[in-house]
Amino acid sequence: GQNIDQPTEMTATEGAIVQINCTYQTSGFNGLFWYQQHAGEAPTFLSYNVLDGLEEKGRFSSFLSRSKGYSYLLLKELQMKDSASYLCAAMDSNYQLIWGAGTKLIIKP
Amino acid sequence: IAGITQAPTSQILAAGRRMTLRCTQDMRHNAMYWYRQDLGLGLRLIHYSNTAGTTGKGEVPDGYSVSRANTDDFPLTLASAVPSQTSVYFCASSEQGANTGELFFGEGSRLTVL
Repeated sequence: GQNIDQPTEMTATEGAIVQINCTYQTSGFNGLFWYQQHAGEAPTFLSYNVLDGLEEKGRFSSFLSRSKGYSYLLLKELQMKDSASYLCAAMDSNYQLIWGAGTKLIIKP
Repeated sequence: IAGITQAPTSQILAAGRRMTLRCTQDMRHNAMYWYRQDLGLGLRLIHYSNTAGTTGKGEVPDGYSVSRANTDDFPLTLASAVPSQTSVYFCASSEQGANTGELFFGEGSRLTVL
């Protein structure tokens, strides 16, 4: 079956760095997505990786290893506003998105 | 800038009642989607539409129906609501199917079925 695994919850300190991991198993693969969702709000797009390697976008970076079925989202210089859930989603061969349950990130001062 | 508008934002509904969740986008996106989000689970696709006039079933379509009469509107109907349909429902759109990378989501409709 198709599956996405990511930690349920993580805690980090303001100003620090945190890495949120995601492993996936899909029928075929057409890319890996990360979305941010603040409590009570809609998900918003953060990144898309389809090739191996690191994509950097400001304080946020996303990494993909297709051979390992693994991705991570790296958040640097954490700010209180980064407290949110981070959703990992993989696209299968039918271009359908398979979503993880999300990682709730708690930032402490 | 509206993007995607969903209505109602919240609704309490008696079991057995019919309910339509409305979704309108002003971005002229071809593809639209309905997801439900439940605690501890990932977003699950209910129905989708790749272009006006066509619809398809997602992962959890039972008990739901959709229509896509035009580009902008994509209503979701619960013909006879049941308590297991208590959830937060998100409508989303993308330019040409999700393989373009980015889904734009509405603010969600919180539905409680008693």
